Amino acid sequence: QQPVQSPQAVILREGEDAVINCSSSKALYSVHWYRQKHGEAPVFLMILLKGGEQKGHEKISASFNEKKQQSSLYLTASQLSYSGTYFCGTESTGNQFYFGTGTSLTVIP
Amino acid sequence: EPEVTQTPSHQVTQMGQEVILRCVPISNHLYFYWYRQILGQKVEFLVSFYNNEISEKSEIFDDQFSVERPDGSNFTLKIRSTKLEDSAMYFCASSDRGSQETQYFGPGTRLLVL
Repeated sequence: QQPVQSPQAVILREGEDAVINCSSSKALYSVHWYRQKHGEAPVFLMILLKGGEQKGHEKISASFNEKKQQSSLYLTASQLSYSGTYFCGTESTGNQFYFGTGTSLTVIP
Repeated sequence: EPEVTQTPSHQVTQMGQEVILRCVPISNHLYFYWYRQILGQKVEFLVSFYNNEISEKSEIFDDQFSVERPDGSNFTLKIRSTKLEDSAMYFCASSDRGSQETQYFGPGTRLLVL
């Protein structure tokens, strides 16, 4: 039930782009993306809903392929502040919510 | 900006003791969640709560765990008899319209069971 993310870790230079993928074995109603910095709580980035509606961050985009039960988070022109662990969260039924395995992103100068 | 608050920020307890972790969700929110994160691992769903009852719970949320909304503002997680493996960061979250809206996370309570 836990969604799987890839890659596990990525290191970028400032200004480079990254894509983080999230896939689930179950049909999804929504996908959430969060960023967590070390020792802090997860912070909301974006929600993607079945049917194409998106709510979220201006500088981060994401896609949601309902048929493939996958979502991708696109980070463009990365900044040092983007460093952290990115989690997707998925809702398939009811109000049960599963976080993905996490992707550690490090942006270096 | 309204935020979710949690107390205490850190708690150390002896194995077998009961602990109560407290959360004050954002005031107009109706859906409440508890998650835990063992150090260095992913965030794990424990339970969701709506309309004064549990909506969903995970396999982790066994008979040792309970949640309560004792008044109009607090949302608590009780662990009846703590085990060493309960040591983790516990996050509370709330949203206004369920899991298809943003969940706002509190800062967490770090629980250490000795």
